[in-house]
Amino acid sequence: QSVLTQPPSASGTPGQRVSISCSGSSSNIGTNTVTWYQQLPGTAPKLLIHSTNQRPSGVPDRFSGSKSGTSASLAISGLQSEDEADYYCAAWDDSLIGWVFGGGTKLTVL
Amino acid sequence: QVTLKESGPALVKPTQTLTLTCTFSGFSLSTHGMRASWIRQPPGKALEWLARIDWDDEKFYSTSLKTRLTISKDTSKNQLVLTMTNMDPVDTATYYCARQYCSGNSCYFDYWGQGTLVTVSS
Repeated sequence: QSVLTQPPSASGTPGQRVSISCSGSSSNIGTNTVTWYQQLPGTAPKLLIHSTNQRPSGVPDRFSGSKSGTSASLAISGLQSEDEADYYCAAWDDSLIGWVFGGGTKLTVL
Repeated sequence: QVTLKESGPALVKPTQTLTLTCTFSGFSLSTHGMRASWIRQPPGKALEWLARIDWDDEKFYSTSLKTRLTISKDTSKNQLVLTMTNMDPVDTATYYCARQYCSGNSCYFDYWGQGTLVTVSS
């Protein structure tokens, strides 16, 4: 059971906009920034969004992050087939004094 | 260029102790503010953070696993080491090391190793 809650799956057709939610608590998302990772099949996670809404260089601006209270969201616009992957949210938890991850969301491009 | 690579046994027996090494380049764990963690992922399951070590040798552990874990670093060799005692089949997972970068109040794992699969079986 992951500390951060994500929907297990999401889907969309090419060109659509999809959103993935990540629900936490006051000790993690409510206090600290959120990070999103993209994991393509058989590969290590890759940094997608850091500091809640910042994209590292090389990440397309189709990807965006936001936060409200104890929940965060990852939005992907102009969905492409190569976006098919698992997506994880993460945050530092001040109560657990450790990193917590979401259970992951498998994105399917129909 | 930052790179990290995990190494260690692919197969361990139940009750044995696992020792994993992460050899990295492009940064130093003796640099003020630098941190690194171990994270694992059982097959088909989610990521789970295990332990973190900071440039000043401060250490943090997963609450559920802290009695079994030891994280250390060898700055002269640019290596990060994780030991996990009393291995069980449920510990079968791909183990990753990752650099933690911090800017202001925000921290995140910006570079990851490729991961090493450890299977626990007799």
